[in-house]
Amino acid sequence: AQTVTQSQPEMSVQEAETVTLSCTYDTSESDYYLFWYKQPPSRQMILVIRQEAYKQQNATENRFSVNFQKAAKSFSLKISDSQLGDAAMYFCAYSGGLMYSGGGADGLTFGKGTHLIIQP
Amino acid sequence: GAVVSQHPSWVICKSGTSVKIECRSLDFQATTMFWYRQFPKQSLMLMATSNEGSKATYEQGVEKDKFLINHASLTLSTLTVTSAHPEDSSFYICSARDGSALTDTQYFGPGTRLTVL
Repeated sequence: AQTVTQSQPEMSVQEAETVTLSCTYDTSESDYYLFWYKQPPSRQMILVIRQEAYKQQNATENRFSVNFQKAAKSFSLKISDSQLGDAAMYFCAYSGGLMYSGGGADGLTFGKGTHLIIQP
Repeated sequence: GAVVSQHPSWVICKSGTSVKIECRSLDFQATTMFWYRQFPKQSLMLMATSNEGSKATYEQGVEKDKFLINHASLTLSTLTVTSAHPEDSSFYICSARDGSALTDTQYFGPGTRLTVL
């Protein structure tokens, strides 16, 4: 079974600064997908970024980028120029799936989450 | 972007009664939908995977007779909590797979808060 571990229950960062959220995972599969989801107080899950395991290049989405280390099974999220609207719970998630399959076919395994606080 | 709705958003029921939660994909067809459960201040746990027209696949430890899932159409899946008890009180979230999207993405509904008295 796959596991996802987020070792930081809470992180705090000053507005406009950069913060990195950690995530490690365990799997015996060679093809899989990794995600970071944001859950604000409204509890609506919002996809922040996704990474295909077969891609060596780290995914980026505007101020959000990941550091994907496949051998180390590490998948951290970097948020640059933090904004007040970034305050939320952040969940790292894993999905199995064959290469190029898209990663949407399997249910997600989530980490326990990191509560991100933005200090004005 | 793709939208997934859930109804109701909040439901309170008496112990022993059954509650039905609907999950709809509004602007795409979802061959697969997923149901998750989230306890307060905890993570999401996958309960089951439902494919249109076939029986749902439940995760280990999830009682299939208690959590009935029906995926009757490509845009609707329902979760029925039968004979609900206070320990079933939780936040239930569905997601729907848009396999036609370039990135084959799961989109999440806004969730349903269930309180069993």
